Amino acid sequence: GENVEQHPSTLSVQEGDSAVIKCTYSDSASNYFPWYKQELGKRPQLIIDIRSNVGEKKDQRIAVTLNKTAKHFSLHITETQPEDSAVYFCAAKSGTYKYIFGTGTRLKVLA
Amino acid sequence: ETGVTQTPRHLVMGMTNKKSLKCEQHLGHNAMYWYKQSAKKPLELMFVYSLEERVENNSVPSRFSPECPNSSHLFLHLHTLQPEDSALYLCASSQEGSAGELFFGEGSRLTVL
Repeated sequence: GENVEQHPSTLSVQEGDSAVIKCTYSDSASNYFPWYKQELGKRPQLIIDIRSNVGEKKDQRIAVTLNKTAKHFSLHITETQPEDSAVYFCAAKSGTYKYIFGTGTRLKVLA
Repeated sequence: ETGVTQTPRHLVMGMTNKKSLKCEQHLGHNAMYWYKQSAKKPLELMFVYSLEERVENNSVPSRFSPECPNSSHLFLHLHTLQPEDSALYLCASSQEGSAGELFFGEGSRLTVL
């Protein structure tokens, strides 16, 4: 069946450094790729998304890139801060209602 | 209240109990979802309702029974659960036909003894 692989499962960076999380999807019909941030005990919150007709999108310190040929998409966080520490999930959507999620990346930003 | 709200936030139940989880969305969305979140696993879709009709049912055991009385409310009725059902149950909503972004509730942390 369709799946989304997400790497790494844990990531520790020094404050101010960049963090990159990568996802690979299997369903070539996927056309929408959101990223969610989930802090401990909180709901997953959408932080950025990208659609299949775009290769890159940026919002302040956060950017997402999409390579449809390779079925890869990545989250880039620059100038990381302690409040960026959380679990990040990628997802690929193919068709109505059909979101496939990655297993999550626990990001720790060390002060 | 705004967004997606879930109650209760925490629930402990025995294997013979019957309980229900409640979700309410205040976003005017036309689709509502139940997801199960377990440690080190991807979010697992359980059920999807669109305009009060069930459109997805991902081979979920019958001890989980969803109910969607209207487009703003979604319930998950629980009966004779197993310890392995202990997890965080997340409700979400989306407006299909437009952006389709998922908005999640805070979740109900379920522990089955």
